[in-house]
Amino acid sequence: EADIYQTPRYLVIGTGKKITLECSQTMGHDKMYWYQQDPGMELHLIHYSYGVNSTEKGDLSSESTVSRIRTEHFPLTLESARPSHTSQYLCASSAPGLAGLTQYFGPGTRLTVL
Amino acid sequence: AQTVTQSQPEMSVQEAETVTLSCTYDTSESNYYLFWYKQPPSRQMILVIRQEAYKQQNATENRFSVNFQKAAKSFSLKISDSQLGDTAMYFCAFNAGGTSYGKLTFGQGTILTVHP
Repeated sequence: EADIYQTPRYLVIGTGKKITLECSQTMGHDKMYWYQQDPGMELHLIHYSYGVNSTEKGDLSSESTVSRIRTEHFPLTLESARPSHTSQYLCASSAPGLAGLTQYFGPGTRLTVL
Repeated sequence: AQTVTQSQPEMSVQEAETVTLSCTYDTSESNYYLFWYKQPPSRQMILVIRQEAYKQQNATENRFSVNFQKAAKSFSLKISDSQLGDTAMYFCAFNAGGTSYGKLTFGQGTILTVHP
């Protein structure tokens, strides 16, 4: 399996709390991505980064924010969690060049907001 | 914008048999990339196979092969000699290349169950 990690794997939290979902990879990949996936549903890109200090919003609008201060680390933050944020969040990374066409996925964080 | 459609929400197959999962897409791009990803229950998503649109030859990876019909915008996955470990959700995905390099658009997914 790929060397990309996400913590926590499961999180149950109350409305209004600030949360940070962690994602790290040890493959030296320059590109990293966050996807949102509802149970049994397709993935939607919410954020991506092509390198340090580079972040862009994805195709699906999200109230979350991301940062990329280090190559290996791409955390996602929700300032005030709401029940509508309940979902699975998948982090992925890819290498430079044509090798970057293949994305490597983390195990995901399943978030439940009560 | 690109769209990817998987019209089979669920499929099942007997062990050792062959199954084909369907995928269609819509794009105005001429050069792009197509993928099949596999998401086993409670495990990480992994790449199964990749096809470059400029290549006419269908990609194969061991028991997995694709039928890429560029004019019809169709990209099906054939799994031969199905194994219990093939049980997973399968996603078809599209990458437009160019400035969209690396960004994937996914289909709705097909849940495949392999029965012993």
